[in-house]
Amino acid sequence: TQLLEQSPQFLSIQEGENLTVYCNSSSVFSSLQWYRQEPGEGPVLLVTVVTGGEVKKLKRLTFQFGDARKDSSLHITAAQPGDTGLYLCAVLTSGTYKYIFGTGTRLKVLA
Amino acid sequence: EAGVTQFPSHSVIEKGQTVTLRCDPISGHDNLYWYRRVMGKEIKFLLHFVKESKQDESGMPNNRFLAERTGGTYSTLKVQPAELEDSGVYFCASSPIGYVRGQETQYFGPGTRLLVL
Repeated sequence: TQLLEQSPQFLSIQEGENLTVYCNSSSVFSSLQWYRQEPGEGPVLLVTVVTGGEVKKLKRLTFQFGDARKDSSLHITAAQPGDTGLYLCAVLTSGTYKYIFGTGTRLKVLA
Repeated sequence: EAGVTQFPSHSVIEKGQTVTLRCDPISGHDNLYWYRRVMGKEIKFLLHFVKESKQDESGMPNNRFLAERTGGTYSTLKVQPAELEDSGVYFCASSPIGYVRGQETQYFGPGTRLLVL
C-alpha cells in the first residue's frame, strides 16, 4: 500500500501554462515536504508545510497543505522549461526517523 | 561548501558479487540517511544514522545489506552477495541536528546507480 499517492504521474505542458499537482494520503501528518529532482541529481527540498491550510509561495510555485493535513498541492504559474523535473512529496512517519516519499509527478515544460 | 558526495556514480556487477557504496555527508551533519529507488518505484528509506549510531534500520531489505558509519563521518553501504533485485539508484542524504522532526532539510547526494546482471 502506497502511503502517498501523487497525481498526475506525468505531465507535459507548454511554456506559460499553469498546472497543479497533488499529493494525497488517508493518513494525517504533522508536516509535509516537497522536493524537485532533476536527472542525474538527488532531490532538492523546495518547501516544508506544517499547519493545516497553510499556503507557502516560492516565486511562481504555490504550495498548500490540506486543512486536515492529509494532502497537499503544488501549483505552478506560467511554467518555464526550467521547472521541468520530478516533483516528490515526502513525510516523516509518526514516531520514527523514516521518511516516506510519494511516487512523484514527472513534469516536462516545452519551450 | 561541498555538498553530499557519493561514490561510485555508477556500478555494474554480476549477481553474487559484492559492492560497497560510499557517502560523504556535508561536514558537521550528524544525520545521515540511505535511500533506494528501484526502477519505476518510489524512493524508499533504508536507514538512518545519528553520528555513528544506527537510529532506524527498518528499511534495510535483508541481511545482505550492511551499513556503517565509522567515526560519524562518511558512511558505506555494502551489498553482499548482490542479487538482481538490488539494482536501482542508492541515495544518501545528510542534515544537521536541531531541526524539528519532519521539518529538517535533507541534502541529497547525486546517487549511485547500481546494476546487477
